[in-house]
Amino acid sequence: EAGVAQSPRYKIIEKRQSVAFWCNPISGHATLYWYQQILGQGPKLLIQFQNNGVVDDSQLPKDRFSAERLKGVDSTLKIQPAKLEDSAVYLCASSLAGTGGGNQPQHFGDGTRLSIL
Amino acid sequence: GDSVTQMEGPVTLSEEAFLTINCTYTATGYPSLFWYVQYPGEGLQLLLKATKADDKGSNKGFEATYRKETTSFHLEKGSVQVSDSAVYFCALRDTGFQKLVFGTGTRLLVSP
Repeated sequence: EAGVAQSPRYKIIEKRQSVAFWCNPISGHATLYWYQQILGQGPKLLIQFQNNGVVDDSQLPKDRFSAERLKGVDSTLKIQPAKLEDSAVYLCASSLAGTGGGNQPQHFGDGTRLSIL
Repeated sequence: GDSVTQMEGPVTLSEEAFLTINCTYTATGYPSLFWYVQYPGEGLQLLLKATKADDKGSNKGFEATYRKETTSFHLEKGSVQVSDSAVYFCALRDTGFQKLVFGTGTRLLVSP
């Protein structure tokens, strides 16, 4: 089974520029997650989708971050404008089910490492 | 809110030594508990899990027991290998939206 695919692997931009990340989850996985992992810290959930609807975006900085999952499959995460503190690895994960779905594990992609200059 | 606390690293061991990485949690309800491993340049891989009190998760020689009375989920391995060098994350999954809450990670370095 193919894993969670993310691109690009690395991105370097200057502050105040915009950037977008792409994620393709495992086929058939209804739930998709975006996490932010700052160096030396554990991943922090930014947003969770169930199919194409948002389940939890309570920790997403909505003034600069946005995410969509239009057809319930692929997802994009955008930052506009970027700040220095956005330097991190952005991880995408997917699972078969989310709320009330039992104990389905989350499968992670390799992440996109973002550096802000 | 829910939180996970892990021992700080790095943990430096010689090959074949015994490993313990401590993890404690704070949560409402009865969360599922996980250990994930992250090798350099890679994403997170699920190592093991436990879904209820007294459950023991095990995989690849690693094991951890869900201790509700001490709110702990310590990771152990009897004999580590150089290939076990990685960052280990303890996590809980809340009973609501099923999101994962991670600890800060513990780096393990195993020397030959």
